[in-house]
Amino acid sequence: KQEVTQIPAALSVPEGENLVLNCSFTDSAIYNLQWFRQDPGKGLTSLLLIQSSQREQTSGRLNASLDKSSGRSTLYIAASQPGDSATYLCAVPPNYGQNFVFGPGTRLSVLP
Amino acid sequence: NAGVMQNPRHLVRRRGQEARLRCSPMKGHSHVYWYRQLPEEGLKFMVYLQKENIIDESGMPKERFSAEFPKEGPSILRIQQVVRGDSAAYFCASSPQANTGELFFGEGSRLTVL
Repeated sequence: KQEVTQIPAALSVPEGENLVLNCSFTDSAIYNLQWFRQDPGKGLTSLLLIQSSQREQTSGRLNASLDKSSGRSTLYIAASQPGDSATYLCAVPPNYGQNFVFGPGTRLSVLP
Repeated sequence: NAGVMQNPRHLVRRRGQEARLRCSPMKGHSHVYWYRQLPEEGLKFMVYLQKENIIDESGMPKERFSAEFPKEGPSILRIQQVVRGDSAAYFCASSPQANTGELFFGEGSRLTVL
C-alpha cells in the first residue's frame, strides 16, 4: 500500500530564502508525482507534474525533482516571497488501488 | 477551457436536512474524485467515479452518503440527514486518465450544519 509523507510539517522562513520541501513515497512504481499548493479556505492548485521518466520539472521559481529509486521528491522554491505562504502537498496516482495518495502537507510561512 | 466547477461554494443546512454538492469536471475528463477536508486537517478520499460508474467508494461512510456521475450532467455528492460532524469542505477533482493523468481541483463546497 502506497504511503506518502512530507517533511517538515511546518516551516517558517524570512523572505528571500531558498527552501526545500520534501516528499517521500513507499512504492517506487509510480507513473508521476504532482505538487499542489493550497491557500487557506481555497482549493488545491496544481504546481508541477513530474512524469516517472523525468528527473526535474521547473516553473518559474519552482523546481521539483524526482528520484524514484529512493522514493523521494523535493520541491525547491527560490527567493521565497510572502505570497508563497501556503500549504504544499504532493500526491501520487494509484498503482493498484483506485485513488490518488496525498501527503499530509507542509505548511509554509514566509515572513516579510 | 473552464476548470473544475463546484457549486454551491457555501451551503448551510440544519441537522436532518439534505445537502447536494455538484461538480462539473474539466472538459474531456471522465474521472472524478471527491475528498473531504476538516478544518486544520488533510484531505480524506471519499469516492472515485467514472462516467455512470462508482469505481471506489471505500472512503465514503456507508450511511447517508451517496455519489453519482451520470452520463449527462455534473457529479453529485449527496448527504442525507446531515449532522454537525458533516461540516467540512468538500473538494472535487477530475483527471483525464485514472493512473497517469494530472489531477485538477475545484474550489470546494463548504458545508456548515447548524
